[in-house]
Amino acid sequence: GESVGLHLPTLSVQEGDNSIINCAYSNSASDYFIWYKQESGKGPQFIIDIRSNMDKRQGQRVTVLLNKTVKHLSLQIAATQPGDSAVYFCAENPFSGGYNKLIFGAGTRLAVHP
Amino acid sequence: NAGVTQTPKFQVLKTGQSMTLQCAQDMNHNSMYWYRQDPGMGLRLIYYSASEGTTDKGEVPNGYNVSRLNKREFSLRLESAAPSQTSVYFCASSEQVQRPPYEQYFGPGTRLTVT
Repeated sequence: GESVGLHLPTLSVQEGDNSIINCAYSNSASDYFIWYKQESGKGPQFIIDIRSNMDKRQGQRVTVLLNKTVKHLSLQIAATQPGDSAVYFCAENPFSGGYNKLIFGAGTRLAVHP
Repeated sequence: NAGVTQTPKFQVLKTGQSMTLQCAQDMNHNSMYWYRQDPGMGLRLIYYSASEGTTDKGEVPNGYNVSRLNKREFSLRLESAAPSQTSVYFCASSEQVQRPPYEQYFGPGTRLTVT
């Protein structure tokens, strides 16, 4: 909601530019990662996922890159639109082959300016 | 197909009052979850239910109880609300917990204020 996202890092981009949102994850045993988008007043919405045996995965206008060496995940959004303005969360599943208990990052706010 | 629904959308409680947050999903998912979200923080897992008839504690279970009423419904109860429980609460569901896909589908949230 409106109060969610206070004190979050913010990425400001111009409409039409490409956006890159970064995430550092904590557990080297994590085998699965998800990016979620959360618009103001709504619940998180799935964007794209990637398994640890992949380095890159592409969706519609989005690409996720995984660097296991430095435990880093990024979300690239091509031709950013005003509708992309939201808070973006990465989540990891730290239990290889085990329970789906996602650990969420704090999030990054993306602000798209016309 | 409504996905995950939550009631109520907003609630104000006084310290010590009790209430139950309701959640239902119509996707025939086996697993359901309750999270809380505080300003500037990610989602934190309160409780989850891997399948009908089972519940387990998450990261922040103190002060809460849950009931998996049936496959569709998973409720969260605050027995004696405290100001520290002021938060936005999200319910989520997924096909299962034991193997991918691990995608969780979220409801719209309940904004709870405890005064």
